[in-house]
Amino acid sequence: GENVEQHPSTLSVQEGDSAVIKCTYSDSASNYFPWYKQELGKRPQLIIDIRSNVGEKKDQRIAVTLNKTAKHFSLHITETQPEDSAVYFCAASGTGNQFYFGTGTSLTVIP
Amino acid sequence: DAGITQSPRHKVTETGTPVTLRCHQTENHRYMYWYRQDPGHGLRLIHYSYGVKDTDKGEVSDGYSVSRSKTEDFLLTLESATSSQTSVYFCAISEMNREGETQYFGPGTRLLVL
Repeated sequence: GENVEQHPSTLSVQEGDSAVIKCTYSDSASNYFPWYKQELGKRPQLIIDIRSNVGEKKDQRIAVTLNKTAKHFSLHITETQPEDSAVYFCAASGTGNQFYFGTGTSLTVIP
Repeated sequence: DAGITQSPRHKVTETGTPVTLRCHQTENHRYMYWYRQDPGHGLRLIHYSYGVKDTDKGEVSDGYSVSRSKTEDFLLTLESATSSQTSVYFCAISEMNREGETQYFGPGTRLLVL
């Protein structure tokens, strides 16, 4: 099955700086890549997603890039704010409606 | 929140006791999932369902069973709870959005097995 690896596991940035989280996947059949944000004690919430026919997608301060050849995708958060502090998960999905998640990145934005 | 509720939200039980967690959805989604979340492991799939009475195993299905007798309810049962099953359990549904089929999560159930 699919194997999704996520790095780094923890990330600290100064407020206003950018944060980048990277994921790799193993199954070339995966074609959908969502990102989730999970605040402490809450459920994971979808923040942005991308399909494999697109190389980049942006929504205000967050963007996702996909390199299908290299099988990696990244989440970029610009102008970070303290409310961006959370755990972020990447995921990959292909046929069969199964989703495979990375192990998460704990982002801390220091005021 | 895609109309997903979970019950109970918190449970403390003893080793060897059977436990059933319930996931309820109100929007007639076909696919439903049970995950467990543990530090350092992210979200791991336990079982999923693709319709009434249609279920399949996920990555960490040992010690768990599921049932789906109605579209809206997906039950997760720990036949004989063990301390290793202490975790946060999330139910999810799969829904089509502009990009594709994606998952939305319920609020979670915190289970402590003593």
